[in-house]
Order: sequence, then structure tokens, then C-alpha cells
Amino acid sequence: ELKLVESGGGLVQPGGSLRLSCAVTGFSIDDFAMHWVRQVPGKGLEWVSGINWNGGTIAYADSVKGRFTTSRDNAKYSLYLQMNSLRVEDMGLYYCARGGWPNWQYHYMDVWGKGTTVIVSS
Amino acid sequence: EIVMTQTPLSLSVTPGQSASISCKTTQSLLHSDGKSYLYWYLQKPGQSPQLLIYEVSNRFSGVPDRFSGSGSGTDFTLKISRVEAEDVGVYYCMQSRQLYSFGQGTKLDIK
Repeated sequence: ELKLVESGGGLVQPGGSLRLSCAVTGFSIDDFAMHWVRQVPGKGLEWVSGINWNGGTIAYADSVKGRFTTSRDNAKYSLYLQMNSLRVEDMGLYYCARGGWPNWQYHYMDVWGKGTTVIVSS
Repeated sequence: EIVMTQTPLSLSVTPGQSASISCKTTQSLLHSDGKSYLYWYLQKPGQSPQLLIYEVSNRFSGVPDRFSGSGSGTDFTLKISRVEAEDVGVYYCMQSRQLYSFGQGTKLDIK
């Protein structure tokens, strides 16, 4: 079974940091790009970041560039999102998603986790 | 940044009837490789998004043929023929021509 399981969410104060993880099972992680997508409760979807199959190319939404860092460890079948200088507007459900091919560009996300919740509040 | 605008934002459909959702983009999604990078997702209540359509008109694996996509350039449509109760949820268009962005979502419910 293809499965993505996110973890690491929680409550953090504005300006604080969190590190999200995504554990992959059921497919060869090094065949695919991976993405982070977030959703404010009751609102729409926002793409956060994409990383190609070997971590050599990474892209970010303007809203998180310079504050968030995406990485992967294919040997551990894991994807990570380091979130620094968190803002109230970063609050939401963070999904890990598989890209449809090895590069982060020009493709869909076809397998999604259930998400992990980030709350930014003082 | 490519902005995606969906209409309507909500619709209520009688089972067996059809429904259409429009997605307009601020820039053409046509790439020099001839492909248009436009996708449709459905997020059922309490679930993660699931891919329905890729590259404008191709149904993803396991998606019923009641779902069809069309369009070109900056103007795209998702049509659902013979709506069923299991089709309720929020539909999103997404582009990957330039980074990624989603429409605001269209909530479909059953009359």
C-alpha cells in the first residue's frame, strides 16, 4: 500500500520553529519528487515546496522562501520540512504528497498523506 | 505568479444530473512541449485531495468516465456527468506550468 505519514506538527509561538517529517512506505522514494502542500482549516490548498528525486533541486512558494527548508533522506524513506520564523499565517494542515515523476516541476501530486497540523499562536 | 479562478464557488446538483466547473488562469498553461499543465482534484469531506484529471483531459487511474476535462490556454472546464452522492466535496484546479498554484475550490453538494 502506498502510504505517506506526516508528523511533527504542534503548537508554536510566532517566530518559533518546527520540523515536519513525512515517512514513505509502499514505493521507491528515489523514483519520485515530493511536495509539501498546506491547507488552512476550511480554506483552500497552497503549495509550499517541491523537491526532486535526489534533493538536487528544490523550489519554494514566495510566502515561505527564506524561512522554510525542504530536504529528503532517501535511505530513510523520509521527507522533511524545517520551518523557521513561523507566522500566524503559516498555521494549517501540512500535507506531504508524492510527485508524479522524479522532477518537482510540470507534474501532479498523486499520493497524499493525511497531514499534520501546525498551530502558530502566542 | 499564476492565479487560478474557479466558478462557481458552490453548486448543488440533483443526482443523475451533470455539473460543470470553470477554471480560468492569468497566464496560458501551454508549455513549449505542447502540454498544458492543468489538473483537477477532489477533496472529499475529511479526506486528503485525490487526483481526478491530469494535463487538462486525462483521467487518472481508477477515475470514473463520468469525469471529463477540457479547455486550453487559460480557460478550462471539469464536467461531471450523472452526479452521484459520492461526488460531494470540494473540487480544485491546479497548475504546474509555473511553480504550483490552486484555485479557491468549488464545493459540490447533492440536492
